[in-house]
Amino acid sequence: QSVLTQPPSVSGAPGQRVTISCTGSSSNIGAGYDVQWYQQLPGTAPKLLIHGDSNRPSGVPDRFSGSRSGTSASLAITGLQAEDEADYYCQSYDSSPNWVFGGGTKLTVL
Amino acid sequence: QVPLVQSGAEVKKPGASVKVSCKASGYTFTGYYMHWVRQAPGQGLEWMGRMNPNSGGTNYAQKFQGRVTMTGDTSIGTAYMELSRLRSDDTAVYYCARAAGFSPNYYFDYWGRGTLVTVSS
Repeated sequence: QSVLTQPPSVSGAPGQRVTISCTGSSSNIGAGYDVQWYQQLPGTAPKLLIHGDSNRPSGVPDRFSGSRSGTSASLAITGLQAEDEADYYCQSYDSSPNWVFGGGTKLTVL
Repeated sequence: QVPLVQSGAEVKKPGASVKVSCKASGYTFTGYYMHWVRQAPGQGLEWMGRMNPNSGGTNYAQKFQGRVTMTGDTSIGTAYMELSRLRSDDTAVYYCARAAGFSPNYYFDYWGRGTLVTVSS
């Protein structure tokens, strides 16, 4: 069981908007720690998509955006493209010290 | 250009140890913590621990305490992760990842390509 909870899968048609949720608790997201998002294409290493809740590294299209509220965070993808089909992971900090990931969400572009 | 180059795949027997290397280039090795993350087949990402290349200090996830050792060689800019007493459920791809940002709000901006470790008798 992951400390951060994500839906196992989401899907959308090309051009549509999808969101992926990441639910934590008072010891991680709810404590104010930053949330990051990573994209993992099949057979490749994860790639940083969003850091500090809503900041995009250079080269990441503005179709990707992040937000947070309370003990949860969300990744939104607008103008869905076939190349967006991948696994997406959220990540934050918990106590001990301990960096934690969500269980991952598989995005299918219909 | 990916600045983290990992060692090749390994096959180990249960009970053995494995040591994975991660060579950094293009940045100051001692300026960034190095974290290790693993991914079992078909599963999600699991944080294992981190190493401060400047001081050698480490923090390990509780699950791996006593079995994992993370070290670094600043003379060649290389980080190492050694996992002992291997079990079949340690079969996974092991990634090194550079941590950017400010503690504890690190984010992993560069990742190695991963090293597949297979544990099988």
